[in-house]
Amino acid sequence: GQNIDQPTEMTATEGAIVQINCTYQTSGFNGLFWYQQHAGEAPTFLSYNVLDGLEEKGRFSSFLSRSKGYSYLLLKELQMKDSASYLCAVRGGGGSYIPTFGRGTSLIVHP
Amino acid sequence: DSGVTQTPKHLITATGQRVTLRCSPRSGDLSVYWYQQSLDQGLQFLIQYYNGEERAKGNILERFSAQQFPDLHSELNLSSLELGDSALYFCASSSPGGANVLTFGAGSRLTVL
Repeated sequence: GQNIDQPTEMTATEGAIVQINCTYQTSGFNGLFWYQQHAGEAPTFLSYNVLDGLEEKGRFSSFLSRSKGYSYLLLKELQMKDSASYLCAVRGGGGSYIPTFGRGTSLIVHP
Repeated sequence: DSGVTQTPKHLITATGQRVTLRCSPRSGDLSVYWYQQSLDQGLQFLIQYYNGEERAKGNILERFSAQQFPDLHSELNLSSLELGDSALYFCASSSPGGANVLTFGAGSRLTVL
């Protein structure tokens, strides 16, 4: 099976930087995804990591350490519209390409 | 617009009833995935179809069934509905190769009274 842990809720100030952590335990590993989901809306893809290291995409960056079973999503220059749930999803091994999602981290950005 | 179309957007029904949720994948995508999202469970994988055939099964109840048609659209059938089936049901599609990123539809919100 797979176990994915993320903090339930985080708060941050507009313009600041926030790091959302995700730890996972899986049998095999075929990639880690981060999705953003506004309340009542569809999850939208943010990033994908399959090798160790940092992937940067504009204000968002994602880091992966496979040996530690650890990833983080870094959001810079926070804006009010970044208030959303951030979902970490891991694709395990064994030929399965189905991502398993964590419960998500609800980020609240305040002025 | 993600390109994945789900209908209906909202559905209210009674316990014991049966409903069908419909999904059309993005043009060119062969895989369709169904996920259930409730407040206390997060996104739970139900089932995947690839080019008309069932490819993977998750925590899908026996009361639920799905299929993918030759035109690649998919339907999720939920029967003998219970209060606990109230949730957002998302369909996602993906194209083969690469990161196999899932693109989600806007979801169907089911309320069972």
